[in-house]
Parts: sequence; structure tokens; C-alpha cells
Amino acid sequence: DTEVTQTPKHLVMGMTNKKSLKCEQHMGHRAMYWYKQKAKKPPELMFVYSYEKLSINESVPSRFSPECPNSSLLNLHLHALQPEDSALYLCASSQGPTGGIDEQYFGPGTRLTVT
Amino acid sequence: AQTVTQSQPEMSVQEAETVTLSCTYDTSESDYYLFWYKQPPSRQMILVIRQEAYKQQNATENRFSVNFQKAAKSFSLKISDSQLGDAAMYFCAFPPPRGYNKLIFGAGTRLAVHP
Repeated sequence: DTEVTQTPKHLVMGMTNKKSLKCEQHMGHRAMYWYKQKAKKPPELMFVYSYEKLSINESVPSRFSPECPNSSLLNLHLHALQPEDSALYLCASSQGPTGGIDEQYFGPGTRLTVT
Repeated sequence: AQTVTQSQPEMSVQEAETVTLSCTYDTSESDYYLFWYKQPPSRQMILVIRQEAYKQQNATENRFSVNFQKAAKSFSLKISDSQLGDAAMYFCAFPPPRGYNKLIFGAGTRLAVHP
């Protein structure tokens, strides 16, 4: 199974809402990533978890809160978002903590719209 | 600073023809990895090909091959016998120095394949 799944596929939320994005992989990968991708732009790294610990936070605003409950699951909690946060949120995983060497496996993304 | 540049925002090719996508990068490292990722419309991003900088031989994966010129810091992707399914955004990517746990992506090249 070389699949990374993400739920939901689409999410519309108001600026006062709290919602969560979920990502799951069952490949035994030990690194997981959250990216934000605007239309016609490359993915921008947000967070990296390595062995279930946060190893990189790319100065992401605190309204985005990541969580890694176990080695297979990655969540992104959203609160008080702004319209400019509307984007495709991609999750990825890699076998080890070297995502700059190992292949990264991407999920299909959650398309988020903030109204 | 690490940079990666894709100077062709859009390219097009006829089915069965060959197309080359360009990527240049800047690094002070002597050993690193380079990647091409493909993101089809509304589908998951996948790894196309990976090149290790210390290897002289250009990487190939079926119809995909690279022209890696280390001295020129150039890493182009050649797609032979183009197929309709090759239509996608193609991103060149590589890790920052000693930052083997993440990737820097280029701006991307949108490839259209015409029947």
C-alpha cells in the first residue's frame, strides 16, 4: 500500500470556525509533512514530523496547529483562519526523516476555502 | 541561499514527440539529490525521477531521463514518446544544504500534450 489519504477532500469554513484536516499513511513511514499550495504555485512546506516529533515549523502562524498522534496519522488543526489561507493542503510522507533524499509520497490534498 | 529556477512556465508537445523541461539551481554543496515531481490535474503528486549529484550517469526511468550537468548546475527532464497522460505540472526540487529533511521546489512547468 503506497497510499497517503487525506480527509476531507473539500472544506469550507468561516473565519471563526475550528476544523481539522486529517492525513493517514500505512507504509511505515517515519516522516510526515504538511504543505500549502496556492493555485499554479509550488507546494510550500509548513511542518515536518519526524518519528512523531515536530522537527520543522516553517514560521507558520499559530492559527495552524499540527498534531501527530501516532506514526500513521497527522492532523492539522485550523482556527481563526483568514481568506488568504484558502489553498490546497497537501500531506506527504517519506520512509525516513530525510525527505530531501527519500521519495516523498503525497496525498490528494484538501481544498480549503475560508469565507 | 538555495534556489531552484524553472524558466518555462508552460510547454507543449505533440503526442509521441520528445520534450525537455529545464531546471537550474544554485548550491554550495558538493553532494546532494535532485528530483522531478509530477502533479497531474486533480491528482496526486508523484516522483518522476531522482538524481544523485555524485553519480556521473544520468538517471533514467522508462521514457523519462535527465540531463544533469553539475558544473552548469542544470538538471533538465526529457520526456520521450510523450503521452496524453504526461500532461501535468512538473516541479524540479532539491534539499537545502544539510537540510536533508525537506525540499525546495521550483515554480513549476505546466506541460500540455496535444494529440
